[in-house]
Order: sequence, then C-alpha cells, then structure tokens
Amino acid sequence: DAGVIQSPRHEVTEMGQEVTLRCKPISGHDYLFWYRQTMMRGLELLIYFNNNVPIDDSGMPEDRFSAKMPNASFSTLKIQPSEPRDSAVYFCASSLKGGGPSTDTQYFGPGTRLTVL
Amino acid sequence: DAKTTQPNSMESNEEEPVHLPCNHSTISGTDYIHWYRQLPSQGPEYVIHGLTSNVNNRMASLAIAEDRKSSTLILHRATLRDAAVYYCTPSGNTPLVFGKGTRLSVIA
Repeated sequence: DAGVIQSPRHEVTEMGQEVTLRCKPISGHDYLFWYRQTMMRGLELLIYFNNNVPIDDSGMPEDRFSAKMPNASFSTLKIQPSEPRDSAVYFCASSLKGGGPSTDTQYFGPGTRLTVL
Repeated sequence: DAKTTQPNSMESNEEEPVHLPCNHSTISGTDYIHWYRQLPSQGPEYVIHGLTSNVNNRMASLAIAEDRKSSTLILHRATLRDAAVYYCTPSGNTPLVFGKGTRLSVIA
C-alpha cells in the first residue's frame, strides 16, 4: 500500500482565498483524522471520521473550516476564507479502529504545508 | 484524556542508549500507552505501545512503571536517524492526543 496520500504537499495562497486540502486514506481503514501542527500549538486534532461519518469536530477552530468524506477513499479539508493564522502543516491520518483499549495505530500522511499570505 | 509530561529536549551520543521518560499520572486503567515519533519534515509514525507489561519491538523497548503512572521509551543504540520529536500518548476510547513531545538530538 502507498500509505496515506495527501495533496498538495505545499500550498501558498493569499488571504481570503479558498483552500482545499485532500487526503486518501489507506485502503480498508475505517477511521480518518485531520490534524494541524504549528510551532505554538503543536499537533492538534481537528476532526475525525468513522466509516465516512464525522464523529467529533470539536477541534475545528472556526466555521471557516469544513471537512467532508464523500467515500471511504477520499476526504477534504476546506478553509474559506483563509487567513494568515491558518498557516500550518495539516496532516491526515487513518487507522483501522480509531481509538479504543486496543492497538489502534494511526498512519500519518506526509502533510500539506499551507502558507497564507 | 490523561495528561502527559515529557522533557522538552534530550541529547544523546550516537551508539549510546537513550531513555525517554513520560509521566502520565492520570492514566485510566484501560488506556494503552502509545509512543510515536516525528522525523524532520514528516508526519508522526508509530513506535511502540503497551498496557502493563514491558514491550519490545525492532525499533525500541517500552518500560512501564508498576503503577502505570509513568513509562520510558528506550532506544538501545541511538543513531543519527533517531533524531526526532518523540510523543507519549495514553489512549483509551478517544483518538490520540499529542502533547509537545521530547525533541531528541543525536550527536555523532
């Protein structure tokens, strides 16, 4: 398997523009996670899905952020409108079970580095 | 979620063992202790996990205190490729929550 695939790897945009980040999880994984990483706040969980259904979006910072998972092999994280403080590395991860008293290893993608000017 | 405390940074010489500590005093009885690491410019990757007993795999060993309030990740012979941020994260019925981790520097 190719692992978790994210695109684009780098995105530079101007304030006010719409940004869409894409993720393809590992085939057969039931859970998908979106994280954001900054120097100040570290690695933060934004939202996660189980079987394409959003389970917890309490980490989404504002209404400007939205995430969808139309099918088991694709998810998007959209920011509209984007702001300079949204500059960060955004990671997508997937796992078979997604948390629980067993071994739910998460597999992370390479991340998308977003810069909002 | 259990709160974790890790040193901000540690340094090791190449080829020497490294012991990375983590305190998780509020861990619940069913939480597994997971360790991940993040190499420069990459996403985090799984290292090891355990519940009560010490665990070994090809990457590292995990020593868990008897009261489970702390654990130690052991790299038996640090290499330059082990330079990374190491995260300790107890996990129960919620997704993994990552703290700031420990930045490990390895000196040649």
